[in-house]
Amino acid sequence: DPKIIQKPKYLVAVTGSEKILICEQYLGHNAMYWYRQSAKKPLEFMFSYSYQKLMDNQTASSRFQPQSSKKNHLDLQITALKPDDSATYFCASSQDGTANERLFFGHGTKLSVL
Amino acid sequence: QQQVRQSPQSLTVWEGGTTVLTCSYEDSTFNYFPWYQQFPGEGPALLISILSVSDKKEDGRFTTFFNKREKKLSLHIIDSQPGDSATYFCAASAGGSNAKLTFGKGTKLSVKS
Repeated sequence: DPKIIQKPKYLVAVTGSEKILICEQYLGHNAMYWYRQSAKKPLEFMFSYSYQKLMDNQTASSRFQPQSSKKNHLDLQITALKPDDSATYFCASSQDGTANERLFFGHGTKLSVL
Repeated sequence: QQQVRQSPQSLTVWEGGTTVLTCSYEDSTFNYFPWYQQFPGEGPALLISILSVSDKKEDGRFTTFFNKREKKLSLHIIDSQPGDSATYFCAASAGGSNAKLTFGKGTKLSVKS
């Protein structure tokens, strides 16, 4: 059984719309992350949360907003979608969010913006 | 500016052969270097990692080498198997209280039988 659940697996959106990507982890971890993987770029760090507090934000745009309602949830709200936002978004978790920890990744949500 | 460079972009080897993937980096504060393996339709999964205080780490058929002076690392896979066909990413982090990883673009490996 997958320990990190991302929903939906595939998502098609219209330019200018808003979507929420869901992530739940059942590993008992205290840190969660979002990474983005687009066709021509390396896997890119977006956000990290530890104990439900934002630790690091490397996303330049405020259109991307993480939302943590529970310790094992970290959703990603994306507003005013653009075609450049098309990518696979990976949620990940680790024990505490400290250095050198193993990251566990979900299977990703593939977002296509038309 | 790409902080972690990975080569080759793709590679095909015969079953039983040795695969060598390489990475270089620029940031001298990087001190932790994991390699992640990704199969199609899945998320990356940790394969092996090394700290900058070491120059070699082995795990079964997988060995990673680290050269601090040259800011390079490599992943060697001996006795490559078709099941090793995947995309391999090297990554790096600077440690401290931040677990943020900087990834290379990946190497797509195909092992033919």
